[in-house]
Amino acid sequence: ETGVTQTPRHLVMGMTNKKSLKCEQHLGHNAMYWYKQSAKKPLELMFVYNFKEQTENNSVPSRFSPECPNSSHLFLHLHTLQPEDSALYLCASSQDEGGTAYEQYFGPGTRLTVT
Amino acid sequence: GQNIDQPTEMTATEGAIVQINCTYQTSGFNGLFWYQQHAGEAPTFLSYNVLDGLEEKGRFSSFLSRSKGYSYLLLKELQMKDSASYLCAVPGAAGNKLTFGGGTRVLVKP
Repeated sequence: ETGVTQTPRHLVMGMTNKKSLKCEQHLGHNAMYWYKQSAKKPLELMFVYNFKEQTENNSVPSRFSPECPNSSHLFLHLHTLQPEDSALYLCASSQDEGGTAYEQYFGPGTRLTVT
Repeated sequence: GQNIDQPTEMTATEGAIVQINCTYQTSGFNGLFWYQQHAGEAPTFLSYNVLDGLEEKGRFSSFLSRSKGYSYLLLKELQMKDSASYLCAVPGAAGNKLTFGGGTRVLVKP
């Protein structure tokens, strides 16, 4: 496997369900990110992890819970979501040492639909 | 805070040239990125500018003016596969927090 992978690619869940999104990067990067991309809105940064430590929580509701067990893996745990949470959830990673190392590599995303 | 503006949509003809403008306001400048995103796919890196001037990379070039808070992405010899959204993004002061513009959707017509 190379690059950044995400599973599942598509997810449909009810408002009372609990599910998790998984992201794995094979690039040896130190930083990982979760983004939300809704229709006709800019990419919104949700969480940033640097060396497994959360360094950013962009005022995300508590029904989204991230977990970063190591530098290569990132999870987003979902519970009691709302229909407006339906979106494409993108994971990204970067080397995070400055300059072009800020370049973020994105996974293919999970298309989430909340019914 | 940071703010990025870019046009919502542009249409151009195959073989032509299109210029996508991006203006930004940021506290502390750490460069500017352009990403390409095809519908339903992940954004992919196109360019990174940190110094003023034009950087050319094949059919795509990116320009930066730090004093004007302005960048553009130039797409030459347009091909149908260039139909995509083009995202302008700037890192925050810490570097790893990218703020994205809303993206410019480019439609290439035959």
